[in-house]
Amino acid sequence: DAGVTQTPRHEVAEKGQTIILKCEPVSGHNDLFWYRQTKIQGLELLSYFRSKSLMEDGGAFKDRFKAEMLNSSFSTLKIQPTEPKDSAVYLCASSHHREGTEVFFGKGTRLTVV
Amino acid sequence: GQQVQQSPASLVLQEGENAELQCNFSTSLNSMQWFYQRPGGSLVSLFYNPSGTKHSGRLTSTTVIKERRSSLHISSSQTTDSGTYLCALDSSNTNKVVFGTGTRLQVLP
Repeated sequence: DAGVTQTPRHEVAEKGQTIILKCEPVSGHNDLFWYRQTKIQGLELLSYFRSKSLMEDGGAFKDRFKAEMLNSSFSTLKIQPTEPKDSAVYLCASSHHREGTEVFFGKGTRLTVV
Repeated sequence: GQQVQQSPASLVLQEGENAELQCNFSTSLNSMQWFYQRPGGSLVSLFYNPSGTKHSGRLTSTTVIKERRSSLHISSSQTTDSGTYLCALDSSNTNKVVFGTGTRLQVLP
């Protein structure tokens, strides 16, 4: 039973580049989350989808961050243009929305912007 | 305001000591989950614990819904327990998953 799959695991980008991170949620899950994790800020929510509809996006991230969910089994997070301060681990998580539900995390993508 | 408060923010122990991590929440919940993250590693689920007490080796999780709290107890800590511990609740008020800010644990030899 596959968990949440994130690719790539590592990404190095130059300042100003566009990068796209990918996520495949657990099959059958209808909630999908994108988080950014840094040592200073901890986990910050970037986007939250339910049944492919965008429910919430982190206000501070709207201008250069765009998450999409074209189908129920695939999501992307685009950062355009990248800045050095975007260096962080980007985590995707999924769950099946019902009362009492577990959240499953991917292994994350470590992004370094130079 | 913050729906989930985790404490302490950081903790340093000597190997062999016990640790009690707390998660207090201000919203009604459907479920509570505890995660562990080794430095530089991915998040791993420790407990999915909507209510009551669960045990796993040296770890014990207790969720008391009416008191709006959940705890994670680590007994006889080891250096390999070092890392970040996060709680996350599935809120029945907002139908969203909300994370605590985490506890950074360091266990010294």
